[in-house]
Amino acid sequence: AQSVTQLDSQVPVFEEAPVELRCNYSSSVSVYLFWYVQYPNQGLQLLLKYLSGSTLVESINGFEAEFNKSQTSFHLRKPSVHISDTAEYFCAVSDIGGYQKVTFGIGTKLQVIP
Amino acid sequence: EPEVTQTPSHQVTQMGQEVILRCVPISNHLYFYWYRQILGQKVEFLVSFYNNEISEKSEIFDDQFSVERPDGSNFTLKIRSTKLEDSAMYFCASRPGTSGGTDTQYFGPGTRLTVL
Repeated sequence: AQSVTQLDSQVPVFEEAPVELRCNYSSSVSVYLFWYVQYPNQGLQLLLKYLSGSTLVESINGFEAEFNKSQTSFHLRKPSVHISDTAEYFCAVSDIGGYQKVTFGIGTKLQVIP
Repeated sequence: EPEVTQTPSHQVTQMGQEVILRCVPISNHLYFYWYRQILGQKVEFLVSFYNNEISEKSEIFDDQFSVERPDGSNFTLKIRSTKLEDSAMYFCASRPGTSGGTDTQYFGPGTRLTVL
């Protein structure tokens, strides 16, 4: 069985400040790792993913996440947040191969303060 | 860009009634999924569907639930006799099933089900 832990349920941060959203996972097998974002009243959008290769992955809007196998972590960072980044962020994992159901964390609400 | 669509966006029903939630996955995708998110809780996997049959289901997906792909485009989730605890946001997702398994799931906007 897999599990995902997001320790911070809410993270307030001032605009243009850096932010880190923490994610740890547990799995007995190798996994793919994801960050999904949910803007108010919208569905889940894939922000970035780690499948293999370089442990640092980036999104088109300035977010990055680093896979750390020894610490079983996949923290999400952005050096300077914008008001439009206000959303809920979900860390998730799935099996490699098979039907790849996704297991989600409980989510972190990022609130960017002007 | 192609996207997964879901209808209705909000469904209100009485306890004990049957509901059907509809999804149109992205064309040419082969794997289909339903997830749900009870308010304030995490998104949970319900069921995956491939090659016209259920490939995996969670313990939540009991006999009250069923899925169907009635034609080449729709993917439905039916709840036979709704309970109060079925109130949640239901997300449909689809995955191409190519690229050696490195493809990812695309989620729809969700249907909010309210059971009164």
